[in-house]
Amino acid sequence: DAKTTQPPSMDCAEGRAANLPCNHSTISGNEYVYWYRQIHSQGPQYIIHGLKNNETNEMASLIITEDRKSSTLILPHATLRDTAVYYCIVRVGSSNTGKLIFGQGTTLQVK
Amino acid sequence: GAGVSQTPSNKVTEKGKYVELRCDPISGHTALYWYRQSLGQGPEFLIYFQGTGAADDSGLPNDRFFAVRPEGSVSTLKIQRTERGDSAVYLCASSLYQGTGELFFGEGSRLTVL
Repeated sequence: DAKTTQPPSMDCAEGRAANLPCNHSTISGNEYVYWYRQIHSQGPQYIIHGLKNNETNEMASLIITEDRKSSTLILPHATLRDTAVYYCIVRVGSSNTGKLIFGQGTTLQVK
Repeated sequence: GAGVSQTPSNKVTEKGKYVELRCDPISGHTALYWYRQSLGQGPEFLIYFQGTGAADDSGLPNDRFFAVRPEGSVSTLKIQRTERGDSAVYLCASSLYQGTGELFFGEGSRLTVL
């Protein structure tokens, strides 16, 4: 699975949009982009995933560039409870292995 | 419904002892995963099961680590002759089927080896 690159940390003001970037320049055509987050002392939580179209759910929006080499997770109105480590992961969509490979993620601090 | 349940939540043991960590997945989920997480690091894949069989155990660090899922539901991660370097949070996750990337994680078992 392709490697991702994320900034180690970001700050966001409460009530503002949090935009978390992820680079995945070696992504393959059949690899999806997944986002998880991990609030302190909890297990990771699935947020959203996409292939090439932008996706939105009740938690966030995922914007994937046309060349698919990067993406941005958007939390439209960040709250203090969104303070967490956010992981961007790329994975083959219908892989025989369900495993996810986590990197270091981005620590988002909402103030 | 209930989420993924892991017991114990905390375990303190002495170097050289044997430890078992238990995971109860979400009912009906066929795939089960074990990860471990050291302080300041992302979760590290250990092993995953599809049904009763270990489909991928490439992440197990050495032969002191072993996991079973005899009836395709509850899983136990077993660590023999524990070492101080085994100290970490051990996370279990389950998913409805192996092809999905939507995993549901438990809150983890924190293992401390003195």
